[in-house]
Amino acid sequence: EPEVTQTPSHQVTQMGQEVILRCVPISNHLYFYWYRQILGQKVEFLVSFYNNEISEKSEIFDDQFSVERPDGSNFTLKIRSTKLEDSAMYFCASSVVRAGELFFGEGSRLTVL
Amino acid sequence: QKEVEQDPGPLSVPEGAIVSLNCTYSNSAFQYFMWYRQYSRKGPELLMYTYSSGNKEDGRFTAQVDKSSKYISLFIRDSQPSDSATYLCAMSERSGGSNYKLTFGKGTLLTVNP
Repeated sequence: EPEVTQTPSHQVTQMGQEVILRCVPISNHLYFYWYRQILGQKVEFLVSFYNNEISEKSEIFDDQFSVERPDGSNFTLKIRSTKLEDSAMYFCASSVVRAGELFFGEGSRLTVL
Repeated sequence: QKEVEQDPGPLSVPEGAIVSLNCTYSNSAFQYFMWYRQYSRKGPELLMYTYSSGNKEDGRFTAQVDKSSKYISLFIRDSQPSDSATYLCAMSERSGGSNYKLTFGKGTLLTVNP
């Protein structure tokens, strides 16, 4: 069964460092998303991406965040200068045109020290 | 008022019980309603997806949407220990073409005891 894969599964970094989280969406999907879940909190929308550009972003997704689809398979989330409050599980998701049926990866746990 | 409210539980039931999970919402623009299951430290897994008011059944799972009351439910029949997980409701309105930003509830932690 096709699935969304994410790497790394866990990354520990020092505050102020840059982090890149990587995702390989399901191959025939066209829409890509990043969500995050701070421990004990709701899953929150960060950004949606289609046709090589951002479609929508939340207020969380400030100038420290960026997304890119560098080739035909990968979708990345970059955090330029990490803060303690960026510690969370980051989920990549993808979907086809059909409304709302997002398929999530297993997540990348980011710990900022 | 929060957009999506979900009782976090925890909910503990014996094997074979019928489980009822619920969410309420305040945003009338929500059109699509989903239930996700999330095992500990894993990604959300889509269980059910509905658009209109009414019931949708898939095996032991039934999703119910009442748009007039802004209330959705997930019923699990003959619950199994393997159903033990956190259940997340999620909803979306159409935003920017075919992109669908999901708004999640906080999740209900369910334990099914053998």
